[in-house]
Amino acid sequence: RKEVEQDPGPFNVPEGATVAFNCTYSNSASQSFFWYRQDCRKEPKLLMSVYSSGNEDGRFTAQLNRASQYISLLIRDSKLSDSATYLCVVKGSGGYQKVTFGTGTKLQVIP
Amino acid sequence: DAGVIQSPRHEVTEMGQEVTLRCKPISGHDYLFWYRQTMMRGLELLIYFNNNVPIDDSGMPEDRFSAKMPNASFSTLKIQPSEPRDSAVYFCASSLDSFNQPQHFGDGTRLSIL
Repeated sequence: RKEVEQDPGPFNVPEGATVAFNCTYSNSASQSFFWYRQDCRKEPKLLMSVYSSGNEDGRFTAQLNRASQYISLLIRDSKLSDSATYLCVVKGSGGYQKVTFGTGTKLQVIP
Repeated sequence: DAGVIQSPRHEVTEMGQEVTLRCKPISGHDYLFWYRQTMMRGLELLIYFNNNVPIDDSGMPEDRFSAKMPNASFSTLKIQPSEPRDSAVYFCASSLDSFNQPQHFGDGTRLSIL
């Protein structure tokens, strides 16, 4: 089993729709979690950290479920500019700073 | 504030040549990471440093790859000799020495080995 798994997609959604991605991780000792966004031919950029109690940033909501070992990202009112690949990142799973990236979920928002 | 700076942005060279990629981390960051990204394999961690010391190089594909960090503001990733299968985007990232701090990426070097 991969350390971090994501559905590669693509998720094709109309503008204004709500879309959710899940990411599962295998190491129960993992401590920190993040969502990154990567546009085509660009570097990954931090979208948001994921806190134990869940957190929201505008149209984006991230949640952590330690019991089931997954994190989620919810995007409300999708915009065309949300089209990108979303990478799930798990930290601390093996060594203090070891970081594992998922392979990403591609989102395409359609006019 | 200046982010992570990588050079060159693009490199095209012939098989067998030595390639050197450069990275300047964000000032004050204690950790520096080198990644490689391809369509087939996604983002792979090659090596990371803490306070200029290599901590985990288990991701370095083979002896042709080497990385150094002579000081807190500079790191290199060298490939010698280069092969076509090394063609990829190479990212450098840095982070603070804190458990819940994220990594910040440079723009990457797009490497093509002919």
